[in-house]
Amino acid sequence: KNEVEQSPQNLTAQEGEFITINCSYSVGISALHWLQQHPGGGIVSLFMLSSGKKKHGRLIATINIQEKHSSLHITASHPRDSAVYICAVRLGASNTGNQFYFGTGTSLTVIP
Amino acid sequence: KAGVTQTPRYLIKTRGQQVTLSCSPISGHRSVSWYQQTPGQGLQFLFEYFSETQRNKGNFPGRFSGRQFSNSRSEMNVSTLELGDSALYLCASSLARINTGELFFGEGSRLTVL
Repeated sequence: KNEVEQSPQNLTAQEGEFITINCSYSVGISALHWLQQHPGGGIVSLFMLSSGKKKHGRLIATINIQEKHSSLHITASHPRDSAVYICAVRLGASNTGNQFYFGTGTSLTVIP
Repeated sequence: KAGVTQTPRYLIKTRGQQVTLSCSPISGHRSVSWYQQTPGQGLQFLFEYFSETQRNKGNFPGRFSGRQFSNSRSEMNVSTLELGDSALYLCASSLARINTGELFFGEGSRLTVL
C-alpha cells in the first residue's frame, strides 16, 4: 500500500506545452511538498503547500485537502524542466517534525 | 548563504563494514532529516533530528542510526553493511518552526556496497 500515488510515471512533452502532474494521498497531512530532482541526484524543493495554490514563475501548485489531491502545473514547458518531480507529504500535526512519505516520482522529458 | 553540505559525495564499502555520513545544515537551521533513495524503493524517510534529539524515525533496522551535534551538524551511521544498502543518502535541513519547515537538500552521498 502506497500512501502517496503520483501520475503519470513518465511524461514526454514538446517544448511550450502545458504540463500537469498529479499527486493523491491517503493519510492526514500537515503539508505537501513538490520536489524536483535532476540527473545526478540533487533535489530542490519547489513548493510547500498546506492549502490553496502557489505560483513561482512558470510553476503552479494546487492542493485540495478535502479530496487529498495536489497538482503541479508547468506552463510553457522548456527542455530545462526535464527532471523527476516528486510529491512528498508530511504527516500529522505540525509539531511532530519532518516525517515524510514520498511518491515514486514523475519523469518529465521536454523535447525542443 | 552556504547550502546543505554532505560528505563524502561518493564512497565504496564492502559487506560487513560500517559507514558514517556527514551533513552540515544551512546556518541557523536546527532540523536535519535523512533519506535513502534507491531505484527499487524510491525515496524513504530515515530519521529527523532537532536540537540533538531524534524526533521521528522511519521503518529501517537498527543498523541505521544517527546523531546531531550542538552545532546542528548531523551524522548517520550504517553498521554491518549489506548489498541492499547501496543507495543515495540525502539529508535536508529546515528551520523546523511550526507550519514552516521548507526543506533544503544536500547533493547526497552515493554509497556503493560490494
